[in-house]
Amino acid sequence: QSALTQPASVSGSPGQSITISCTGTSSDVGSYNLVSWYQQHPGKAPKLMISEVNKRPSGVSNRFSGSKSGNTASLTISGLQAEDEADYYCCSYAGSSTVIFGGGTKLTVL
Amino acid sequence: QVQLQESGPGLVKPSQTLSLTCTVSGGSISSGTYYWSWIRQPAGKGLEWIGRIYPSGSTTYNPSLKSRVTISIDTSKNQFSLRLNSVTAADTAVYYCARDHYGSGTYFPFWGQGTLVTVSP
Repeated sequence: QSALTQPASVSGSPGQSITISCTGTSSDVGSYNLVSWYQQHPGKAPKLMISEVNKRPSGVSNRFSGSKSGNTASLTISGLQAEDEADYYCCSYAGSSTVIFGGGTKLTVL
Repeated sequence: QVQLQESGPGLVKPSQTLSLTCTVSGGSISSGTYYWSWIRQPAGKGLEWIGRIYPSGSTTYNPSLKSRVTISIDTSKNQFSLRLNSVTAADTAVYYCARDHYGSGTYFPFWGQGTLVTVSP
């Protein structure tokens, strides 16, 4: 199992939209609609932002949305705000009851 | 609202066994169809899933760690535990426990605050 591939960093200005990609294989992302996304601020535990590709938990801003095409899942944040600056991780079911995380993406709000 | 709290030694010597406990509050560890997982994060690096346990005691481990990991559960204390043997410096990380919605979406909605474990002589 290799970690899912995410860009190391992305950036955007307040009010803009950004998209973070998460590329796996046909054995994980491509085979299951079981991709989740987590936001992590420095020194804090990860926070669930998206489950099952595009489901937003209660309390998560509707500025966050998820999608998937083939072996690549994506997290889009619209109307960027300073508080969105954080690390973001994707996670996918990988078969055989296991899960795998992405390497993480640092989002900088310029 | 369920809460999780990790506890255990912050320093472990190389070749010894790392032992951590996660205490769950705000709900029974046996209720519902939830699983319970351990996840770790080396400093400055990404998240790595270690394994999960169901209240029945059934476990699944990350294949890369399977030979060294044991996860157990004590439903009477509302706790589950992690043991990782033969540790090296590469096992130095923040260890998180989390509620695992495996089988119903496979995601982690609740996490502990994390505990740093350093492997050093």
